[in-house]
Amino acid sequence: DTGVSQDPRHKITKRGQNVTFRCDPISEHNRLYWYRQTLGQGPEFLTYFQNEAQLEKSRLLSDRFSAERPKGSFSTLEIQRTEQGDSAMYLCASSPRPGGEGNTIYFGEGSWLTVV
Amino acid sequence: GIQVEQSPPDLILQEGANSTLRCNFSDSVNNLQWFHQNPWGQLINLFYIPSGTKQNGRLSATTVATERYSLLYISSSQTTDSGVYFCAVGFFSGGYQKVTFGTGTKLQVIP
Repeated sequence: DTGVSQDPRHKITKRGQNVTFRCDPISEHNRLYWYRQTLGQGPEFLTYFQNEAQLEKSRLLSDRFSAERPKGSFSTLEIQRTEQGDSAMYLCASSPRPGGEGNTIYFGEGSWLTVV
Repeated sequence: GIQVEQSPPDLILQEGANSTLRCNFSDSVNNLQWFHQNPWGQLINLFYIPSGTKQNGRLSATTVATERYSLLYISSSQTTDSGVYFCAVGFFSGGYQKVTFGTGTKLQVIP
């Protein structure tokens, strides 16, 4: 059973360019989260999917951000017209069925974004 | 929203020493996890502990949900324990689990 996989691991982009991150959750995990983490801070919630439905979006997720999870499997997070303030690590997590330890969330290794 | 505070924010230990990290939360929660973030950024699950006590090797954790705190004990610390420790609380709202992270404790274990 492989863990949560994220790609790319590192991305350097020029301001104004678009970037897309991909997350492959643990197989059969129907719940998927995206978080953002900046240096010295804890992860901050961005958005949540249950299967293919996006059920919650943080106000941190501006109009330049969009996330999808077609067919309830992998997910993508796209940032349009990147700004220097978008530089951060973007973390994906998944969890299995609700109830008991099924609420445990498992994180990928993260995707580091640097906007220059 | 719920507030999650961790203490101390920074901790330096001599190898072999013991330590206790604390996580306080401002409201009732359904569950709590402890994570270790290694220097490469990977968040590693340590414990899923909504209440009670669990032990795994040199680490143990206790959550007292009625008093809204959790403790993580590290015994006989090793340099590989260095990194940032986060607690994350989960609570159900709007039909799904929301997870909020604490402020973190940065641990440095020196030889």
